[in-house]
Amino acid sequence: DQQVKQNSPSLSVQEGRISILNCDYTNSMFDYFLWYKKYPAEGPTFLISISSIKDKNEDGRFTVFLNKSAKHLSLHIVPSQPGDSAVYFCAASAYQWRAGGTSYGKLTFGQGTILTVHP
Amino acid sequence: NAGVTQTPKFQVLKTGQSMTLQCAQDMNHEYMSWYRQDPGMGLRLIHYSVGAGITDQGEVPNGYNVSRSTTEDFPLRLLSAAPSQTSVYFCASSHHLSGTETPLAKNIQYFGAGTRLSVL
Repeated sequence: DQQVKQNSPSLSVQEGRISILNCDYTNSMFDYFLWYKKYPAEGPTFLISISSIKDKNEDGRFTVFLNKSAKHLSLHIVPSQPGDSAVYFCAASAYQWRAGGTSYGKLTFGQGTILTVHP
Repeated sequence: NAGVTQTPKFQVLKTGQSMTLQCAQDMNHEYMSWYRQDPGMGLRLIHYSVGAGITDQGEVPNGYNVSRSTTEDFPLRLLSAAPSQTSVYFCASSHHLSGTETPLAKNIQYFGAGTRLSVL
């Protein structure tokens, strides 16, 4: 059962316009959400994240929105640039606490969305 | 600054062969993990480790073995390769959080460049 879903395999956008990538999740225990970006032949790189106690987090051209009641998050890129063309993965984590007071988060990833930004 | 280093970058195996995918990180991260990426499936967790000597299974552990004898290294072993294990494998690492830190502070996983494996 896919706990994190990205239902759009691909998205094509004109340079300068807004890109909106969507992600849905089913596990209400998830408390931290991340977006990763992946170029061909490279590993995923962290882009932006949001805690479940917030509904918005902004970093430059990138904004992530979280709607907990709908179990939905989205990534907005404004304005989109050709260099943004990549695969975008959303990921979710439920933090595990260990004896000794440390924690770690296993990530559950969506299937990815291929974003193409045309000049 | 090397970060997470994976070797080899490419590998072709015959069915039944064994091999070890290497992963090393130089950031003194406690948490390390292995994922496989398949078309339409995203990244799926194979095994993970929360520290030297401690490992656990992820979502798709069958056919893979891991050990963590040092903080830096987390090798992934394919015991008897099968065509279904043809995939791109990624290793990742991150810090643990202390009791007062929040995930937004620093618990981000850093990935290696991947190993592309074909099993014929």
